[in-house]
Amino acid sequence: GAVVSQHPSWVICKSGTSVKIECRSLDFQATTMFWYRQFPKQSLMLMATSNEGSKATYEQGVEKDKFLINHASLTLSTLTVTSAHPEDSSFYICRASGPLQETQYFGPGTRLLVL
Amino acid sequence: GESVGLHLPTLSVQEGDNSIINCAYSNSASDYFIWYKQESGKGPQFIIDIRSNMDKRQGQRVTVLLNKTVKHLSLQIAATQPGDSAVYFCAENIQAGTALIFGKGTTLSVSS
Repeated sequence: GAVVSQHPSWVICKSGTSVKIECRSLDFQATTMFWYRQFPKQSLMLMATSNEGSKATYEQGVEKDKFLINHASLTLSTLTVTSAHPEDSSFYICRASGPLQETQYFGPGTRLLVL
Repeated sequence: GESVGLHLPTLSVQEGDNSIINCAYSNSASDYFIWYKQESGKGPQFIIDIRSNMDKRQGQRVTVLLNKTVKHLSLQIAATQPGDSAVYFCAENIQAGTALIFGKGTTLSVSS
């Protein structure tokens, strides 16, 4: 089946630094990428939706200047957490979606720890 | 806010029992539903899906039931195994290319 990868899988950084997370769809064209954040023992919270070549649409309460999303190609989307703080520590998961509802796959997630 | 919720946050069963995990949704416009399994530290894993024009769909050891009248979705796992221990999420979708709306999740614990 289709595979979505994320890199890195783990990242530990100092407060104030920026972290880039990549999400790649390996064998299908992802027309839409979704970025989620998940805190321990909680459900997935949608952060933003991005269509290839367009600006991302952010959910209410998500700072677009802090969480920069780029979806420059049909196989790659990136999420950059700028000036990360300890409260940004979380599990970040991308979901790649094709043109059909059945074509959607989650990445394995990236765990971010900000010290 | 979330429009999909789960009735029970935890479910404990014995190995070999059948498990039933429930989910309620509120958007009658949703036409596609998915159950995901998430193990600790991993991304959600697709289990089974169902469209609104169906009321039942079976997979390997799993069955999803959809009751549109009461906006209820359930996941049945037959002969539950320790490897089934995980958090299970239901999700609903209105249209291709739009976001999935997730429920809170049910933690399934299977004891030997």
